[in-house]
Amino acid sequence: DAGVTQSPTHLIKTRGQQVTLRCSPISGHKSVSWYQQVLGQGPQFIFQYYEKEERGRGNFPDRFSARQFPNYSSELNVNALLLGDSALYLCASSLGVAGSDTQYFGPGTRLTVL
Amino acid sequence: GQSLEQPSEVTAVEGAIVQINCTYQTSGFYGLSWYQQHDGGAPTFLSYNALDGLEETGRFSSFLSRSDSYGYLLLQELQMKDSASYFCAVSSRGYASKIIFGSGTRLSIRP
Repeated sequence: DAGVTQSPTHLIKTRGQQVTLRCSPISGHKSVSWYQQVLGQGPQFIFQYYEKEERGRGNFPDRFSARQFPNYSSELNVNALLLGDSALYLCASSLGVAGSDTQYFGPGTRLTVL
Repeated sequence: GQSLEQPSEVTAVEGAIVQINCTYQTSGFYGLSWYQQHDGGAPTFLSYNALDGLEETGRFSSFLSRSDSYGYLLLQELQMKDSASYFCAVSSRGYASKIIFGSGTRLSIRP
């Protein structure tokens, strides 16, 4: 079975631009969570979606938004990019609600903001 | 709010045993998880504790004491490939659940 997939692998943007990151969960998984990881730190929780509903939100500004589609794939959107948004963006899927179930991480999207 | 503390670095010898501690503060605690991340890779799940006690999975074991808000990851028979960063993560119960990761412990294994 395929694991969690994310696209693109790498992305370079300039300040003020907008970006969309995509995630496909493991088949049968209904929960997708998004994390931001800066080098040398742990993943920071951004969003969790379960059955297409937002079920958790971290301390990120409204420039960050996400959605989950009927096939359980998900997109993370970031508007008005700042230099500080440069990071590895990780997507994780789980069968049930994340936190009560094992999460499986994708390889991540490396975003660089210039 | 939620916060976790774990040592930033640990060094151990190949074949030895190492324990990585994690203390946490959270409301609505649901469970404590451990993840391994090699440089350039994604986190991979190691263990999960929702109840007090020890969970064993091969060379890795994890312990939780909810009354002490404390847990640890125990790695036995250390191998060079165990050199990685290890993260503890707490999850909160409720409709709007959150998963908070610690800042990670970098484990270095010496021959």
